[in-house]
Amino acid sequence: DGGITQSPKYLFRKEGQNVTLSCEQNLNHDAMYWYRQDPGQGLRLIYYSQIVNDFQKGDIAEGYSVSREKKESFPLTVTSAQKNPTAFYLCASSRLAGVDEQFFGPGTRLTVL
Amino acid sequence: AQKVTQAQTEISVVEKEDVTLDCVYETRDTTYYLFWYKQPPSGELVFLIRRNSFDEQNEISGRYSWNFQKSTSSFNFTITASQVVDSAVYFCALSEAGAMNTGFQKLVFGTGTRLLVSP
Repeated sequence: DGGITQSPKYLFRKEGQNVTLSCEQNLNHDAMYWYRQDPGQGLRLIYYSQIVNDFQKGDIAEGYSVSREKKESFPLTVTSAQKNPTAFYLCASSRLAGVDEQFFGPGTRLTVL
Repeated sequence: AQKVTQAQTEISVVEKEDVTLDCVYETRDTTYYLFWYKQPPSGELVFLIRRNSFDEQNEISGRYSWNFQKSTSSFNFTITASQVVDSAVYFCALSEAGAMNTGFQKLVFGTGTRLLVSP
């Protein structure tokens, strides 16, 4: 089955720790994205990648970092510099960036203790 | 700048009622794409429809239908004979195609409408 997987589903972090959220897709999509969702709000773009070895900041990139070493993988690191990291994180991919529909993973819920 | 407004924060209906979710957008481009996504309680967003700005035909898919009106910048979503399984948060989103050499065009989401369908 083609799709997007994210792990872990739930993640707890102590303040001051970096954590990495995994995102893998087997849809052969070129573009991948990371979004943050807070209660009662829409999705906000953190980072996106249009092609392997390239990525760009979205609207709320501060305190986050990414890498795109493989087409199928786009991990997100939430660093200690992110002041309010507790949120629901969604990874997505699409054939082409922007105009094609994006397919989403099941999400990771991050809680900072 | 692009903007998507979903003024209805939450709608509650009883099963078998019809319900319409409103979406109003703002864009300066003549070429753009509109999307609807469903987010059930599990959290994963499910793609429902994509419509480009040049296609104003209404679309029907089973109990779902979409009404695109450029004159009012609206892309409303109607569920006919709602069911409990339709309970979810629904997001409308906009992507501008832009010029051919501009590269990435981001997807802008509305704040979502929570639909509660009771038995």
